Amino acid sequence: DQQVKQNSPSLSVQEGRISILNCDYTNSMFDYFLWYKKYPAEGPTFLISISSIKDKNEDGRFTVFLNKSAKHLSLHIVPSQPGDSAVYFCAASGPGSYGKLTFGQGTILTVHP
Amino acid sequence: DADVTQTPRNRITKTGKRIMLECSQTKGHDRMYWYRQDPGLGLRLIYYSFDVKDINKGEISDGYSVSRQAQAKFSLSLESAIPNQTALYFCATSDRREITDTQYFGPGTRLTVL
Repeated sequence: DQQVKQNSPSLSVQEGRISILNCDYTNSMFDYFLWYKKYPAEGPTFLISISSIKDKNEDGRFTVFLNKSAKHLSLHIVPSQPGDSAVYFCAASGPGSYGKLTFGQGTILTVHP
Repeated sequence: DADVTQTPRNRITKTGKRIMLECSQTKGHDRMYWYRQDPGLGLRLIYYSFDVKDINKGEISDGYSVSRQAQAKFSLSLESAIPNQTALYFCATSDRREITDTQYFGPGTRLTVL
């Protein structure tokens, strides 16, 4: 049972445009959500997170939106840059997770110059 | 120097061989994790340890074992490697004193079992 799903395996965007990566979850106990970015031959690196008490968190070009009623979060990158090309994973945790994260399958973002 | 290191970075082995992957961290974190990444499946938790005496199975622990030799070291063993254990393996750490559950990952080990 996949509790965190990223239904788009890949996304292609033109440089300067907006990239929107989506993530859905099924476990209503999740209350903390994270996005990680992964380049080839490197480990995932933390990008941005959001607590369930908020519906938006912004850090520079990156904004995460949380819609609790829809159990949906999205990562917006504006403007997209070629260096943003990577695999993006969403992850979730909650009171019953005891520090463990549940990851989605990942979305490959390609930003074309 | 990297905060979380993994050795080896690449390994090719044969079916039936015993393999050990090692992870060390200088972040001073008490929690450590082992994941594997397969295409289309994301990151799946193999084992996790919240301190030296606390080791727990994750969602896909069959065929794997771990050892927490010290707070800073967490190793993953494949007792008898099989081809479907070919994957990318990542170690991660987190700090229980942090309010969030943010984990910090090593660079990964690419394991191929022939």
